[in-house]
Amino acid sequence: DAGVIQSPRHEVTEMGQEVTLRCKPISGHDYLFWYRQTMMRGLELLIYFNNNVPIDDSGMPEDRFSAKMPNASFSTLKIQPSEPRDSAVYFCASSRDSKNQPQHFGDGTRLSIL
Amino acid sequence: DAKTTQPNSMESNEEEPVHLPCNHSTISGTDYIHWYRQLPSQGPEYVIHGLTSNVNNRMASLAIAEDRKSSTLILHRATLRDAAVYYCIHDYNNNDMRFGAGTRLTVKP
Repeated sequence: DAGVIQSPRHEVTEMGQEVTLRCKPISGHDYLFWYRQTMMRGLELLIYFNNNVPIDDSGMPEDRFSAKMPNASFSTLKIQPSEPRDSAVYFCASSRDSKNQPQHFGDGTRLSIL
Repeated sequence: DAKTTQPNSMESNEEEPVHLPCNHSTISGTDYIHWYRQLPSQGPEYVIHGLTSNVNNRMASLAIAEDRKSSTLILHRATLRDAAVYYCIHDYNNNDMRFGAGTRLTVKP
């Protein structure tokens, strides 16, 4: 079984540029989560979707961040414009549609904003 | 906010059992206790979860206190590949889990 697939694995870009991170969840999983991990703040939940609908986006840091899930097999996290403080590892995870099912994480995208 | 308390770091010798403690005194009656671990340069990996009774799987055992205010993750024989950050979480809002700082486990050969 293919796991959660994230792309790109690494992204380096200059501040002010638009950044798009991509995620393909595990087939059959109805929940999708976006996390951000930094040394200072640890692993933070940004937003999660159920059946492609955003349920809780209270963790999104500001309006420069947006996330979409146009279908069950694809989600994007976009930062526009990007800033150096957005540098972090961004993880996507998915789980089945029932309470307390394990979340399966991708390998993450390491984002560096110069 | 859901909060768990774990030691910042622990050490173990290879081939010995490891007991990783977690306090979750604010847990509600329906919150499950989850454990994940994160190996270097990888995403978090599910280890085990439970509600009230002790749980076992191929990776570990989870011992939950009777009052559910604490739990212990047990690795029966630590290997070098078990060196990771271990997170204890209780999900207070369905699938919404909040990761704390975790415990960094070092395994010595």
